[in-house]
Amino acid sequence: SQQGEEDPQALSIQEGENATMNCSYKTSINNLQWYRQNSGRGLVHLILIRSNEREKHSGRLRVTLDTSKKSSSLLITASRAADTASYFCATFGGSNYKLTFGKGTLLTVNP
Amino acid sequence: NAGVMQNPRHLVRRRGQEARLRCSPMKGHSHVYWYRQLPEEGLKFMVYLQKENIIDESGMPKERFSAEFPKEGPSILRIQQVVRGDSAAYFCASSPPGNSLQETQYFGPGTRLLVL
Repeated sequence: SQQGEEDPQALSIQEGENATMNCSYKTSINNLQWYRQNSGRGLVHLILIRSNEREKHSGRLRVTLDTSKKSSSLLITASRAADTASYFCATFGGSNYKLTFGKGTLLTVNP
Repeated sequence: NAGVMQNPRHLVRRRGQEARLRCSPMKGHSHVYWYRQLPEEGLKFMVYLQKENIIDESGMPKERFSAEFPKEGPSILRIQQVVRGDSAAYFCASSPPGNSLQETQYFGPGTRLLVL
């Protein structure tokens, strides 16, 4: 298994619903980051949560981190069609600079 | 402040040709990272460079791949004698100088390489 694995692999919801994606990792971390990738595009950094934080908000995004379970979740509230994208969590694992990504969750928000 | 810039955005090569991918980091950033994304996969680290130095190339294939970040100009990822398996999206990221490296990396739009 890879450091930083997201589930579900794919999620399809209706506009206005909330979307929750989960991420598990293996090694100890200093922080965990979430990125979004629209189809065929680059990665956009969404949010960084540090190991001493349990929850963080940014607009419609809410990220939680449970270091005892080595897991994180990303909640997108009141989803919009424009939120359709792949979402990746990333950690540095045992390195200071090698970001390790999971395979991502493909979120589809239907209008 | 312009973001990380990569060119070309799309590159088509025939087997055996060379591919050169360029990356200009964000202004003020001195750390550059290259990642490769195969179809329906997450990104995989390839190499970490600072100006004129390769810090870690542990993710680079041993043959045909090289990277540089000269004192002047963009960082270059060079793939010699491309094969079909090199077809992927190649992303460059940058981060500012500083003691704490475990911070946000800012990604470029990527170069999509297709080897025919």
